Amino acid sequence: EAEVAQSPRYKITEKSQAVAFWCDPISGHATLYWYRQILGQGPELLVQFQDESVVDDSQLPKDRFSAERLKGVDSTLKIQPAELGDSAMYLCASSLARGNGYTFGSGTRLTVV
Amino acid sequence: AQSVTQLGSHVSVSEGALVLLRCNYSSSVPPYLFWYVQYPNQGLQLLLKYTSAATLVKGINGFEAEFKKSETSFHLTKPSAHMSDAAEYFCAVANFGNEKLTFGTGTRLTIIP
Repeated sequence: EAEVAQSPRYKITEKSQAVAFWCDPISGHATLYWYRQILGQGPELLVQFQDESVVDDSQLPKDRFSAERLKGVDSTLKIQPAELGDSAMYLCASSLARGNGYTFGSGTRLTVV
Repeated sequence: AQSVTQLGSHVSVSEGALVLLRCNYSSSVPPYLFWYVQYPNQGLQLLLKYTSAATLVKGINGFEAEFKKSETSFHLTKPSAHMSDAAEYFCAVANFGNEKLTFGTGTRLTIIP
């Protein structure tokens, strides 16, 4: 079964450092999402891509977060500088068509110390 | 704006007993509704989805959910709980024409041996 690949699985970084996460969606899935899930809460959308274009980044803290999907395939989410409050699970998901729901990757657990 | 409310952040049932996890939605247009399951330090796995076809939806692992428009509900049930069902469950809503999923805060299901 096709999967959404994410790396790394776990990341510990110091406050004020830069950190990056990578996601490779299921082949052929044009829509890619980055979600942030704080412990004990539901996932919240950070950014949505359609191919290489950003469709929705209204909840992305743009002063420190950036996301790109240059060739419309894999994507990178960056945080610079990291803050203690950024500790969370960062989930990538992709979808083929409306109404199908998403396929999620296993996520990257970020701990900022 | 669309939203979902999950009643009960923690639910405990005995092994073999009925599982009932509650979800109510708010949407100005006919919604798509989803249930996802999350195991510790994992991504979210799609259990089932409602996309305006049959109101009773059957999913994986013996789960099912019924869409009730009059009650704006989409409760998740399973006739007989198994120890492997212990996990976090999330209800989510999307509107036709907008793929963005909005998640509830989740319900942690504990199975008592």
